[in-house]
Amino acid sequence: AQKVTQAQTEISVVEKEDVTLDCVYETRDTTYYLFWYKQPPSGELVFLIRRNSFDEQNEISGRYSWNFQKSTSSFNFTITASQVVDSAVYFCALSEATQGGSEKLVFGKGTKLTVNP
Amino acid sequence: GAVVSQHPSWVICKSGTSVKIECRSLDFQATTMFWYRQFPKQSLMLMATSNEGSKATYEQGVEKDKFLINHASLTLSTLTVTSAHPEDSSFYICSARDYLRTSGGSTDTQYFGPGTRLTVL
Repeated sequence: AQKVTQAQTEISVVEKEDVTLDCVYETRDTTYYLFWYKQPPSGELVFLIRRNSFDEQNEISGRYSWNFQKSTSSFNFTITASQVVDSAVYFCALSEATQGGSEKLVFGKGTKLTVNP
Repeated sequence: GAVVSQHPSWVICKSGTSVKIECRSLDFQATTMFWYRQFPKQSLMLMATSNEGSKATYEQGVEKDKFLINHASLTLSTLTVTSAHPEDSSFYICSARDYLRTSGGSTDTQYFGPGTRLTVL
């Protein structure tokens, strides 16, 4: 069965610090997708990134970067020079093909990040 | 970017009444929408997969007669919580699947609505 583990329940940092959120996944599929979503206090999930299992290149988007390592089944997320607005719960998710041909997401339990001024 | 709306954003109802929540994809067509439930400080739990024009597929343990799902068009799915009870109080979130195939490949991403907070008294 598919499984996503976010071992860090809560992280607290001071503004401008770098922070890495860990994500480890389990799957038997050879083709799969990994995602990161941000859920601020307002509740809406914001899509951050989607990564194909065949693409192990690291990705950088502004202060955000992602490190995908198939060998360790990890898809870690780093925020550089964190800001107070980064405070949110971050979810890592893995897609799972359904019988109907669509994909459903298996979510980790989330990591609550608090950035203090 | 892809936008998904939900209505209402919050609702308070009496025990025994039914509540309907709407999920709309505003700038794309979604053949598949998903309904999730989230308890405080917990992760999202998938309740069902809603396919346009066909019956929804429910996850194990989710009562299909309790949580009625209708996906009548490519931009609208509804979740009706029937005969709601206090234990149904939760944050309900929908997502819409944006699948786009191009000459360069395809993208397949779920975009989430802002959620509906249901409180049953």
